[in-house]
Amino acid sequence: AQSVSQHNHHVILSEAASLELGCNYSYGGTVNLFWYVQYPGQHLQLLLKYFSEDPLVKGIKGFEAEFIKSKFSFNLRKPSVQWSDTAEYFCAVSPTGGGNKLTFGTGTQLKVEL
Amino acid sequence: GAGVSQTPSNKVTEKGKYVELRCDPISGHTALYWYRQSLGQGPEFLIYFQGTGAADDSGLPNDRFFAVRPEGSVSTLKIQRTERGDSAVYLCASSPEPSRNEQFFGPGTRLTVL
Repeated sequence: AQSVSQHNHHVILSEAASLELGCNYSYGGTVNLFWYVQYPGQHLQLLLKYFSEDPLVKGIKGFEAEFIKSKFSFNLRKPSVQWSDTAEYFCAVSPTGGGNKLTFGTGTQLKVEL
Repeated sequence: GAGVSQTPSNKVTEKGKYVELRCDPISGHTALYWYRQSLGQGPEFLIYFQGTGAADDSGLPNDRFFAVRPEGSVSTLKIQRTERGDSAVYLCASSPEPSRNEQFFGPGTRLTVL
């Protein structure tokens, strides 16, 4: 069975600071990887996804993530955060092949201060 | 277009009662998923439908939980003899192409068992 670890549970940054949120997964086969975001009072939204293409994935709102297979990692990055990026961020993994469940990490609560 | 909708948004019930939670997926999406999210945790998979059939129900915690999707569109998650530990946000997601496994989430139903 697959699992996901998000090591940073709470992160506080000032506006314009750079962001990197860690995500490591455990699974013996090939995977699809995702980052979802949940803004306050809103539902989960897809931020970006990796489907066995370019390991550097660009998402919405200036976010990107890099899949490093040798490290089983899929860290989320943004060069300059904004106050509106305050949200909870979830990393998720799913075995390739379609129709499979997503396994989520416990989430990282990001607070961006003005 | 319309996203995934879930009703009710909130449900308060007493221990031992029966509840039904409804999910209306995005039109044309063949795959439908139920997850459960407890406080401070990421969503946990419950069940996956491809069309009308449950393709994977390995996440259902016990036989008090059951879900149906009789016409391949709307799904209902049913919980019998509710327990306080069932209190959580129940999320529904749908996907246009299971092979790509990109899931779109609804706002969730917050279930509170007193």
